[in-house]
Amino acid sequence: DAMVIQNPRYQVTQFGKPVTLSCSQTLNHNVMYWYQQKSSQAPKLLFHYYDKDFNNEADTPDNFQSRRPNTSFCFLDIRSPGLGDAAMYLCATSRVGGDEQFFGPGTRLTVL
Amino acid sequence: LAKTTQPISMDSYEGQEVNITCSHNNIATNDYITWYQQFPSQGPRFIIQGYKTKVTNEVASLFIPADRKSSTLSLPRVSLSDTAVYYCLVVPRFQGAQKLVFGQGTRLTINP
Repeated sequence: DAMVIQNPRYQVTQFGKPVTLSCSQTLNHNVMYWYQQKSSQAPKLLFHYYDKDFNNEADTPDNFQSRRPNTSFCFLDIRSPGLGDAAMYLCATSRVGGDEQFFGPGTRLTVL
Repeated sequence: LAKTTQPISMDSYEGQEVNITCSHNNIATNDYITWYQQFPSQGPRFIIQGYKTKVTNEVASLFIPADRKSSTLSLPRVSLSDTAVYYCLVVPRFQGAQKLVFGQGTRLTINP
């Protein structure tokens, strides 16, 4: 089945130690998104790629970066994780002009 | 982007019809109303989208009055597995990326 895959599902890192989360999709969608969802809060958009074009949200901290080497893969890099970055990170995709976004299962990040 | 307001929580029982109302007073002409469902530790899942009047699919119905300032998601004959958070979003219909802005959502609990 076509889907959005996130690895790993659970990630533990240390304060200040860089971490990379990955997302892949078999839907061949043009657009890929990264959301952050803290406990008991709604998902918050960090940035998205429209093909190779990167679009950052104005309030996304500089600590968060992203890479999209090809259509299928997208990475979220957190350069120096702080305790406040502990959250579920959700990857999603959509096709241009489509009705919906397809979300992956998320990666739960713990910062020690 | 139009802001949405919906009840924080609702309770119902198996077999009942559940209606969740969302207000979006500042909805723009090219905005669509979209609902997502999220189970714990999973990514949100698209339920239904509409522009005006009524939309029905295999999961739910969406009722939108003529002024489009509110909408109602109707879940027929709910079961325990419908316990989730339901998000109402207003999404501009552009031929590009969708920037979803999630509100607080409605935490629906279905009881036996």
